[in-house]
Amino acid sequence: SAVISQKPSRDICQRGTSLTIQCQVDSQVTMMFWYRQQPGQSLTLIATANQGSEATYESGFVIDKFPISRPNLTFSTLTVSNMSPEDSSIYLCSVEFGVAGQYFGAGTRLSVL
Amino acid sequence: KQEVTQIPAALSVPEGENLVLNCSFTDSAIYNLQWFRQDPGKGLTSLLLIQSSQREQTSGRLNASLDKSSGRSTLYIAASQPGDSATYLCAVFSGSARQLTFGSGTQLTVLP
Repeated sequence: SAVISQKPSRDICQRGTSLTIQCQVDSQVTMMFWYRQQPGQSLTLIATANQGSEATYESGFVIDKFPISRPNLTFSTLTVSNMSPEDSSIYLCSVEFGVAGQYFGAGTRLSVL
Repeated sequence: KQEVTQIPAALSVPEGENLVLNCSFTDSAIYNLQWFRQDPGKGLTSLLLIQSSQREQTSGRLNASLDKSSGRSTLYIAASQPGDSATYLCAVFSGSARQLTFGSGTQLTVLP
């Protein structure tokens, strides 16, 4: 397992602004993932972030709206751009440890007014 | 495309009861299956991980089984406690893209 720290834990933002969420892992990992969990829903994968390459986005998610950085093997950021109330969700990062499965950060609870 | 279904969507039981949560998936070509717990507004805590070659895993009062050929997994919770109240999510890791696909969860309430 690993310790995955996510910041901020929650935020309230105004429509039209952007928020950058940070994810820090205490060990080096190849693959990091970003998920969105809308109210009352399960998790949906936004993108996969590998160090040294562009993030791979799932259908329905675009880089202009959710730019991702992965500068090294222990850190990644997700930006939610030009926010609207529909972006109010919990955003979670996770890391994969091969046969050990995936582990998640505590999440960022975002409310957009 | 992998699809994961969890039944029931919600369950309420009195303290002390044994209970079973169900998970089914459509594509049996999986790498592994994980059960997670999520408390309201929080992140996910991994409970049990079953590799595709395994039949079950146990941790304390929790036991998870996997029948890959039929596309089913169960999470058995023995002697339930109010502290077990949470949403339980099943997720399968599969596909050439190596993705984790989640079910919609079972919201468990254990009444004192």
